[in-house]
Amino acid sequence: AQSVTQPDIHITVSEGASLELRCNYSYGATPYLFWYVQSPGQGLQLLLKYFSGDTLVQGIKGFEAEFKRSQSSFNLRKPSVHWSDAAEYFCAVGERAGSYQLTFGKGTKLSVIP
Amino acid sequence: SQTIHQWPATLVQPVGSPLSLECTVEGTSNPNLYWYRQAAGRGLQLLFYSVGIGQISSEVPQNLSASRPQDRQFILSSKKLLLSDSGFYLCAWTVAGTANEKLFFGSGTQLSVL
Repeated sequence: AQSVTQPDIHITVSEGASLELRCNYSYGATPYLFWYVQSPGQGLQLLLKYFSGDTLVQGIKGFEAEFKRSQSSFNLRKPSVHWSDAAEYFCAVGERAGSYQLTFGKGTKLSVIP
Repeated sequence: SQTIHQWPATLVQPVGSPLSLECTVEGTSNPNLYWYRQAAGRGLQLLFYSVGIGQISSEVPQNLSASRPQDRQFILSSKKLLLSDSGFYLCAWTVAGTANEKLFFGSGTQLSVL
């Protein structure tokens, strides 16, 4: 069974600084990988996804993520953080297209200092 | 455009009382529907999914049940709530035939069982 680890429970960055949120997965085959963002008291919104092809994927709101098979990682990055990026971020892995089961990490809460 | 409605936004219920959370989707036909739970300090856990009216798949044995009486309506129920049922419940949908490619989440219901 697949699993997802987000090592950082809480990260604080200054506005304008760069950001990297870590995600490691465990799955035997090529996974389908996702990053979702959740604003306080809200549902989740898809930031980006990786199914195949270019290992560097671009998402909404200026985010990108890189799939590194050798490290079993799918880290989320943003070159310059805005105060509105403060939220909780979830990495998720699916075992294949057509599978209804997504495994989510426990999330990383991002705080942004003005 | 498609929208998803989930209610109520917050709910406080005593142990042993029944539960009914409702979710409806507009602007699409035959969606796949999902119920997720987000417990404090944990990631999202898939509880149920449905690919059509009356078709319910349960991912985790528990005190809850789900029903899909209409194409775009998904209901989460319990006959007797437990303290451990407290959490943030999220309804989501995906386009028919795409499974987990992109989940669209509702704004969630914060359930507190006292």
